Amino acid sequence: DTAVSQTPKYLVTQMGNDKSIKCEQNLGHDTMYWYKQDSKKFLKIMFSYNNKELIINETVPNRFSPKSPDKAHLNLHINSLELGDSAVYFCASSLGTGNNEKLFFGSGTQLSVL
Amino acid sequence: QKEVEQNSGPLSVPEGAIASLNCTYSDRGSQSFFWYRQYSGKSPELIMFIYSNGDKEDGRFTAQLNKASQYVSLLIRDSQPSDSATYLCAVNSWGGGATNKLIFGTGTLLAVQP
Repeated sequence: DTAVSQTPKYLVTQMGNDKSIKCEQNLGHDTMYWYKQDSKKFLKIMFSYNNKELIINETVPNRFSPKSPDKAHLNLHINSLELGDSAVYFCASSLGTGNNEKLFFGSGTQLSVL
Repeated sequence: QKEVEQNSGPLSVPEGAIASLNCTYSDRGSQSFFWYRQYSGKSPELIMFIYSNGDKEDGRFTAQLNKASQYVSLLIRDSQPSDSATYLCAVNSWGGGATNKLIFGTGTLLAVQP
């Protein structure tokens, strides 16, 4: 029923660990995104895929590796987690990549690195 | 200079008053402008979008765009306590690249006092 769903909702882990976040959308959209929202509510784009192809790769440490097995799924794997990675990670999708695209967000994954 | 700027607030208004939220942006080539509402602990939700100069009304919400001044605003009439949330301004930007992306401001926290 949920349009954009991501799991897990909460992730608490130790520094140095590797973790993954999964996202799925059932809206039939072609484009999916990962955004990071820091403690000051700043929402910053990390990656975007269009039909499984990476089209946006912002200045993100290469410890972050997205993967899109098909256009309905976008996962985010993070290696060697650091304290500064603590944030809320939102998956989003849009119909395409045009100027007027409206983003639909998942419920977020709150990552806490201890 | 930040790409999308908003006053972080909090903006406190009494119930029934008009709340006015403002946003400025730096990319003169931006063509699409969005307002997202984010309740505490929830994901951003699209409430308004505007593409042309002038006003656009939808229920109690009015979006205003002035491309010459690089300014976009959101008016909420008859504010209700349920409108209390963070309002994120988002602007599309090509950033000199080949791919369009949505840039968010840091949001304005609105508190409607009963």
